Amino acid sequence: DVKVTQSSRYLVKRTGEKVFLECVQDMDHENMFWYRQDPGLGLRLIYFSYDVKMKEKGDIPEGYSVSREKKERFSLILESASTNQTSMYLCASSTRLAGADDTQYFGPGTRLTVL
Amino acid sequence: SQQGEEDPQALSIQEGENATMNCSYKTSINNLQWYRQNSGRGLVHLILIRSNEREKHSGRLRVTLDTSKKSSSLLITASRAADTASYFCAANQAGTALIFGKGTTLSVSS
Repeated sequence: DVKVTQSSRYLVKRTGEKVFLECVQDMDHENMFWYRQDPGLGLRLIYFSYDVKMKEKGDIPEGYSVSREKKERFSLILESASTNQTSMYLCASSTRLAGADDTQYFGPGTRLTVL
Repeated sequence: SQQGEEDPQALSIQEGENATMNCSYKTSINNLQWYRQNSGRGLVHLILIRSNEREKHSGRLRVTLDTSKKSSSLLITASRAADTASYFCAANQAGTALIFGKGTTLSVSS
């Protein structure tokens, strides 16, 4: 079974802090994604990566950056956390192998609170 | 930009009843996927229907796809309390990441 893990289930940070959210997948997937989920807004794509050292902006990249130094790990960075970044953050991965149909596998999520 | 939009936003039913959720999308797709999310957890893939398919079944799940109307529906038959969750559709368009809708929250009471 695919396993996607996220470094923390719950995280509390202060405004202005630099925040790192880590995501690791164990199925050698090429693609990795970061979403944020807010009530009434559904999932919104922040950044995604199709390969090591590659990154693409999603719908809401402002205030975030990402890093993919190794295939299995995709990090989301909040350079200077703000209260409007309080949210649930979800990481996902998928493979480009034929027949996989871009099905995504999700981690359990990190609920981040910025005070 | 939201590609999939679910309807209704919330649905409350009794155990044993059927639950139907609808999804509309905007552009041509390779496939349409449905995911489930238990409260406070990550999403889990439920079922996928390809653009050349009209109907698909998996256990108590039935998915239909109408590409002419750009819509899909998810039917859960004989609902159980354990089906209580949020359900999301996701449109898979070639060359882009999946685009998720805002979800339908299903509540099944015993």
